[in-house]
Amino acid sequence: GAVVSQHPSWVICKSGTSVKIECRSLDFQATTMFWYRQFPKQSLMLMATSNEGSKATYEQGVEKDKFLINHASLTLSTLTVTSAHPEDSSFYICSQAGSRAYNEQFFGPGTRLTVL
Amino acid sequence: QQQVKQSPQSLIVQKGGISIINCAYENTAFDYFPWYQQFPGKGPALLIAIRPDVSEKKEGRFTISFNKSAKQFSLHIMDSQPGDSATYFCAANLRNSGYALNFGKGTSLLVTP
Repeated sequence: GAVVSQHPSWVICKSGTSVKIECRSLDFQATTMFWYRQFPKQSLMLMATSNEGSKATYEQGVEKDKFLINHASLTLSTLTVTSAHPEDSSFYICSQAGSRAYNEQFFGPGTRLTVL
Repeated sequence: QQQVKQSPQSLIVQKGGISIINCAYENTAFDYFPWYQQFPGKGPALLIAIRPDVSEKKEGRFTISFNKSAKQFSLHIMDSQPGDSATYFCAANLRNSGYALNFGKGTSLLVTP
């Protein structure tokens, strides 16, 4: 399957600061990447679909001004959590559609965000 | 609205036993049904997947059974091992959604020695 990396793997920040999470496709040029959020012992919730060279599509209830997504190249998508608050503490995971079949998805290792 | 319903929420199986996790979906347009395995602090890993034109798919100890008329599919883990202890998610994909996955709520599997 496709290889997806995320950086950082974990981050702790103070309330009110912004945090950027990178998602890289290491072996495939991904025109589409997805960002998910996962709270402890819960399922993955799709936040947004990131399209290379265009604006991201956000799911209902996800604030696009708070969760800024940039997909400037075929191998990199970034998620910036602006003015983070403790309730934004979560596990953020990106994924990309695979090359072999149009609806396979391969996930990154995730980023644990803790907002103090 | 939960488009994919998964059960049970948790499961305890003895080593060597069969683990069975079930999922049901509503949208008949779904055309791809993967299972993911997730260990604590890690991203989900694709385990096995099936398309609706096939009733069963087997890869090693993992088997998906698919019942299109009942809109149900299940994961069977044969000869379960302690290393299989993880959270398992079923999912379904709708072609026109841009490949976004609809996940079940997950099943926490514990395989005891």
